[in-house]
Amino acid sequence: GQQLNQSPQSMFIQEGEDVSMNCTSSSIFNTWLWYKQDPGEGPVLLIALYKAGELTSNGRLTAQFGITRKDSFLNISASIPSDVGIYFCAALLDGGSQGNLIFGKGTKLSVKP
Amino acid sequence: GAGVSQSPSNKVTEKGKDVELRCDPISGHTALYWYRQSLGQGLEFLIYFQGNSAPDKSGLPSDRFSAERTGGSVSTLTIQRTQQEDSAVYLCASSFRLNSPYGYTFGSGTRLTVV
Repeated sequence: GQQLNQSPQSMFIQEGEDVSMNCTSSSIFNTWLWYKQDPGEGPVLLIALYKAGELTSNGRLTAQFGITRKDSFLNISASIPSDVGIYFCAALLDGGSQGNLIFGKGTKLSVKP
Repeated sequence: GAGVSQSPSNKVTEKGKDVELRCDPISGHTALYWYRQSLGQGLEFLIYFQGNSAPDKSGLPSDRFSAERTGGSVSTLTIQRTQQEDSAVYLCASSFRLNSPYGYTFGSGTRLTVV
């Protein structure tokens, strides 16, 4: 079945560093979404992408919809402590047994000790 | 309501007991979804509803799990004869319709602990 491969699985950040993560698939999608989950909360939508090649920013976050429509990238610039959490990519299916969205397995951001 | 509301927020139950988890979606959202998340892990899809109908129940982990939705609004996820491996956070989400390009709105989840 269709699935999203999200990497890295986890990473440690130091305040001020830039962070990059990505999501790839063998399938083509028309919508990519990025969510963030804070501890003890449900995921919250950060950015939605609707067009191949589209680059969209939300504050220090920038996401891109890959030109092949099979991947998406999320970058966080000048990270701060409150950026820690789990980031999920998601892609919109037309129909499918899961309703409409499929999710990557997440990238867990933690602070370097 | 303004957001997706889940209750209880925390539930501790003894192994073998039945539990009911409740989800109240955003008013007017016709689609509703249940996910399970083990500690710090990814989202495991369980079931979705379009209105009161659940077209595919194959994501439910076992026949001890069931879900229903009445009146196109509130949904309950029931776990019978709970086992320790059922311990997880159960997340509910809703969307205006299936295939909504705006994604889902999630609740804060119910943390279930089976002792």
